[in-house]
Amino acid sequence: DTAVSQTPKYLVTQMGNDKSIKCEQNLGHDTMYWYKQDSKKFLKIMFSYNNKELIINETVPNRFSPKSPDKAHLNLHINSLELGDSAVYFCASSLGGQYNEQFFGPGTRLTVL
Amino acid sequence: AQKITQTQPGMFVQEKEAVTLDCTYDTSDQSYGLFWYKQPSSGEMIFLIYQGSYDEQNATEGRYSLNFQKARKSANLVISASQLGDSAMYFCAMRLTNAGKSTFGDGTTLTVKP
Repeated sequence: DTAVSQTPKYLVTQMGNDKSIKCEQNLGHDTMYWYKQDSKKFLKIMFSYNNKELIINETVPNRFSPKSPDKAHLNLHINSLELGDSAVYFCASSLGGQYNEQFFGPGTRLTVL
Repeated sequence: AQKITQTQPGMFVQEKEAVTLDCTYDTSDQSYGLFWYKQPSSGEMIFLIYQGSYDEQNATEGRYSLNFQKARKSANLVISASQLGDSAMYFCAMRLTNAGKSTFGDGTTLTVKP
């Protein structure tokens, strides 16, 4: 009965590889997000999708490509991984609008060697 | 552009005492939501409390309350009767009406001492 799930939880890979992180929510929310939390714990939004449509695309390298096959899923694909991509990536979901809290997934710790 | 400022990188509090974590925000929008999240050392992000910009009363959720001062653009989190399990990082966040974008502060690490 997990609300927001992410796979994998840990991802260790070499520079230059391509990897994907999957996210699913079973809350019936219409908006999903990807956040990056760096080693200093700063949390920054990367992307936001509302009803499968991209609505927020922050200044993120185009090596990062989100894909939303349906409202319950938002995946993150990263090409040509770099050392600086090492971070914890959180998926979140919410109902749209400014009055609704976001529910976060457990995070995916990505380590690029 | 909106901004959230948390000026206390770290805070200490004695068990069973109350503690206030500061949060100030900057936006020209009139309609927005303010949120607090807790991130324990295990890493998950846990929603604690919410305050809407038009709410006249301060939000409360159990031992958490939000001291909302709109004119000062502050939304401080008050934790009463601190417990050891409250030791964590706390993030203040703001969402505006457009597209639900959330901006997070840099966080405050709270340590509860026995």
